[in-house]
Amino acid sequence: EIVLTQSPGTLSLSPGERATLSCRASQSVSSSYLTWYQQKPGQAPRLLIYGASSRASGIPDRFSGSGSGTDFTLTISRLEPADFAVYYCQQYGSSPTTFGQGTKVEIK
Amino acid sequence: QLQLQESGPGLVKPSETLSLTCTVSGGSIDSSSYYWGWIRQPPGKGLEWIGSIYYSGSTYYNPSLKSRVTISVDTSKNQFSLKMRSVTAANTAIYYCARLVLGLVPMYFDLWGRGILVTVSS
Repeated sequence: EIVLTQSPGTLSLSPGERATLSCRASQSVSSSYLTWYQQKPGQAPRLLIYGASSRASGIPDRFSGSGSGTDFTLTISRLEPADFAVYYCQQYGSSPTTFGQGTKVEIK
Repeated sequence: QLQLQESGPGLVKPSETLSLTCTVSGGSIDSSSYYWGWIRQPPGKGLEWIGSIYYSGSTYYNPSLKSRVTISVDTSKNQFSLKMRSVTAANTAIYYCARLVLGLVPMYFDLWGRGILVTVSS
């Protein structure tokens, strides 16, 4: 199965700063099948980005995704208070679908 | 709009069978555009896909759990269900049901239920 490794484990930033989250795959993943989710405490994950770079409905344009092959990035251009959460990447290019271990974005 | 809601016991004894149901409201489960899936998350940990089902009954499972898991669908009730046999404390987790968008192949989970905490303990 494809292992997704997210880094860093925790990102400590202030509101207004830029966040760059990495997701590295153990094998090449088609960009079509790389997804990002946001999860806040006590809530279910929320779809942010699919197809590596397409924003889901209702997602602000400060969220962007990029990458190909084995290296993918989620960027939050200017952090707002609501953005402090845990972010997971997921691949569906190869079964079983797998998730990264998550990156926590916390307030510095 | 479409919503998913998990239901079932919050406490299961070791070696017994965990049984959960996901009820889909505000839309039909028998859409050709989606699969329906179960994902779990141990407290404080990451996400693990358990398995998915199409409205026709076609299923596929995580190989690591396949021997103990059965997912079924009841289109008349707009529900799908999860059964996990021979559970242990390691199966304590929040269990989510979710809708899986289908392209040429299943792609991503676009709608999630709120989740249900299932604790395995005697």
